Amino acid sequence: DGGITQSPKYLFRKEGQNVTLSCEQNLNHDAMYWYRQDPGQGLRLIYYSQIVNDFQKGDIAEGYSVSREKKESFPLTVTSAQKNPTAFYLCASRRDTQLNTEAFFGQGTRLTVV
Amino acid sequence: KQEVTQIPAALSVPEGENLVLNCSFTDSAIYNLQWFRQDPGKGLTSLLLIQSSQREQTSGRLNASLDKSSGRSTLYIAASQPGDSATYLCAVRGETSGSRLTFGEGTQLTVNP
Repeated sequence: DGGITQSPKYLFRKEGQNVTLSCEQNLNHDAMYWYRQDPGQGLRLIYYSQIVNDFQKGDIAEGYSVSREKKESFPLTVTSAQKNPTAFYLCASRRDTQLNTEAFFGQGTRLTVV
Repeated sequence: KQEVTQIPAALSVPEGENLVLNCSFTDSAIYNLQWFRQDPGKGLTSLLLIQSSQREQTSGRLNASLDKSSGRSTLYIAASQPGDSATYLCAVRGETSGSRLTFGEGTQLTVNP
């Protein structure tokens, strides 16, 4: 099946730890995105990448890092510098950033700090 | 800065009713608008994508309209069913925001049997 796979579905982090969330797509999409969703709030953009080996900060990039070494993969690292990391994280992709194409989302990873 | 608002925040209707969800945006310079559905604890499922040059899109019992000049979109759901219960989100891709989408906070819909 074609789609976007996020793993793990649930993740628990201790204070001071870095954790990495996985996002893989087999849709051959150029652009990939990471959003954060908190209760009662809309989705907020963390980072996005329009092409391999290139990425840009979104609206809430502090405390996060990403890499885009392969077209199909866009992992997100939540560092210890992120003061309030408990949230639902969603990865998305789009076929071509120059065209008005649909964005597709993965099933999300729920991160909890314990 | 683009802002997207969805009204109402929550809506409860009896099964079979036709209903309208609203989405407004402050900057009319958009490429497109996309409606999504989100079930609890799940990711977003794309429902409809409307390009800025289009007035409406239809998929089954769903019809989305776009009035770009007034900064408004509506999602019409005909003959609602309990399985339609979910949160519905709209998102716009602005001409000045590059590749990013700006989301509203969603409308939580409950359809009662």
